[in-house]
Amino acid sequence: SQQGEEDPQALSIQEGENATMNCSYKTSINNLQWYRQNSGRGLVHLILIRSNEREKHSGRLRVTLDTSKKSSSLLITASRAADTASYFCATDYRGTYKYIFGTGTRLKVLA
Amino acid sequence: KAGVTQTPRYLIKTRGQQVTLSCSPISGHRSVSWYQQTPGQGLQFLFEYFSETQRNKGNFPGRFSGRQFSNSRSEMNVSTLELGDSALYLCASSFGDSRDTEAFFGQGTRLTVV
Repeated sequence: SQQGEEDPQALSIQEGENATMNCSYKTSINNLQWYRQNSGRGLVHLILIRSNEREKHSGRLRVTLDTSKKSSSLLITASRAADTASYFCATDYRGTYKYIFGTGTRLKVLA
Repeated sequence: KAGVTQTPRYLIKTRGQQVTLSCSPISGHRSVSWYQQTPGQGLQFLFEYFSETQRNKGNFPGRFSGRQFSNSRSEMNVSTLELGDSALYLCASSFGDSRDTEAFFGQGTRLTVV
């Protein structure tokens, strides 16, 4: 399979806690993007990190990228019930415009 | 600025029929990609169009086809529908002129084949 792998598959935390999810991929990339999906609806773009970047922040989100390990992590700080969703990483396949999605992490934030 | 618009939102078709889904990208975006999402296979890339040309194609049978018009709107067609084609079909748009542009998704079309 060309898909990336994300772990954990599911994560349940209390409101206010931090949530960390990881993504591993297989091929060389130009960039990696993280998305959120609520209940089988469309994907919301969260952040793009380029292959020459190691860390990126956006509000409560922090993304890291380790190209030597072919992995990325998404940290959501001070989580809220509204963060409950599935989170996906997507990598451009060998620098093409074809994006390969990970299997996703289902995050549940308990109020 | 309007987002990516997909129509229809929901569709029920019978096996053997064909279906056409539509995607209007964000204004100014010239790249449109299509994905199929199912519980078993996750998000799978179908194809990508840029300025009316297909640049990339996923591993789907020839029953799945697409096209892009001069205004960047795109359509996806599935012929001879099978039960396994039931899925959420998502399209994404981006500027597409470099490999570092963000891709924005529509709400999807949920296709049910009965």
